[in-house]
This record gives sequence, structure tokens and C-alpha cells, in this order.
Amino acid sequence: KAGVTQTPRYLIKTRGQQVTLSCSPISGHRSVSWYQQTPGQGLQFLFEYFSETQRNKGNFPGRFSGRQFSNSRSEMNVSTLELGDSALYLCASSLQNQGRETQYFGPGTRLLVL
Amino acid sequence: AQKVTQAQTEISVVEKEDVTLDCVYETRDTTYYLFWYKQPPSGELVFLIRRNSFDEQNEISGRYSWNFQKSTSSFNFTITASQVVDSAVYFCALSGGGLRGGAGSYQLTFGKGTKLSVIP
Repeated sequence: KAGVTQTPRYLIKTRGQQVTLSCSPISGHRSVSWYQQTPGQGLQFLFEYFSETQRNKGNFPGRFSGRQFSNSRSEMNVSTLELGDSALYLCASSLQNQGRETQYFGPGTRLLVL
Repeated sequence: AQKVTQAQTEISVVEKEDVTLDCVYETRDTTYYLFWYKQPPSGELVFLIRRNSFDEQNEISGRYSWNFQKSTSSFNFTITASQVVDSAVYFCALSGGGLRGGAGSYQLTFGKGTKLSVIP
């Protein structure tokens, strides 16, 4: 079974621009979660989608948004980029994201904001 | 609020030594799940082990073993006979804080990670 895939793997943007990251979950998985990883804050939960609906959201500003398509693929968007948005963005998938399930992560997208 | 603490920031061991990574957690949930992930330089988080809060049986899987103690809220992870390929950042994570009423959506709360360097 193919793992979680994320595109693009690397991205360079400038302040004020917007960016869209994509995540394809493991086949059959319906839940997709997004995490941001920075040296200062570590790994932080952004949001989670299940059946095209956002079920849970972390403590991030409204500039961070996402969506999920009927095939469970997910995108996250960051508008009006700030220098502090430079991070590794990780996507994780699970069947239904019940607590007992393991979340499997993709390779991440490294975003650099200049 | 949930919290995971990994007090060890960096550890260096010589190949073939055993190494234990410490993890202490805080949660108000009565049912929760604990995980260890490994992050090599490539960046991908690789799942290693999972433990349910209601099962304190400690297990060994190959060179990996873990010690889960609810009384001290600790979930330590041991690698025996370490190898150079074990060099990575290891994260302890707690699953919980999901929507109440069993609606699912459990987010992972991670510790800051422990960087393990295995020296040949």
C-alpha cells in the first residue's frame, strides 16, 4: 500500500503571498490531519478533516485553512504569508481518527518564507 | 490541556549500547493513547509503537521495548544494541483532546523530541 504523499516537497515564497499544500492519504483512510513543525514551537496540530468536513482545529489564525475532497485528498492553504510560517508541514492519515488508531505521516512540505 | 515532556534534548551513545528515552505526560482523559515516532533527517515521522492507557503491559518488539507506568505518567522507550541507523529525533505523543461524546477526531500532542546520535 502506498503511504501518505505530500506535494510539493519544498517551496519558497515571499511575505504576503499565499500557498497551497496537498496531501493524499493512504488508500482507504478518510481522516487527514495537518501539523506544523518549527524549531521553536515543535509539532503543533493545525486541523483535521473527515468526510470533507473539518472536525477539529488547533490554535492557529484564520490565515490557515484547509479542505478535503470526496476522494479524501486534502489541501491546506496559508494566505498572506509571514516569515514565521516557515516550517515543515506534515500531513497524517488514519482510517477514521479514533483515538486508538495510529496516524501515519507523509514526508512533509518544507516551506520557506522570505 | 494535555502535555508531553521529553526532558532529554540530546543523547549520544556508542553503537551497541542500550539507550532509554524518557517521556512524561499529563492528561485529564481516562482513556488515552501514547505513541513513539521517529523522525530521520528526511523529515518523515515514522510510527514505532502505540500503547493504550488501560493496558500497562510492557512489551518488547525486536530491539525496541517500552515501559508504561500510569502511576508516574511515564512512557519510556528503550532501544537495545543501538545502531547508527537509529540516529534520529524521537517524539513521544499523546492522543486525546478529541471531540467529546465519542465523535472522534483525536489530535496528537507531541513532546519536543529527543535527538539521538549513535556513534560508530
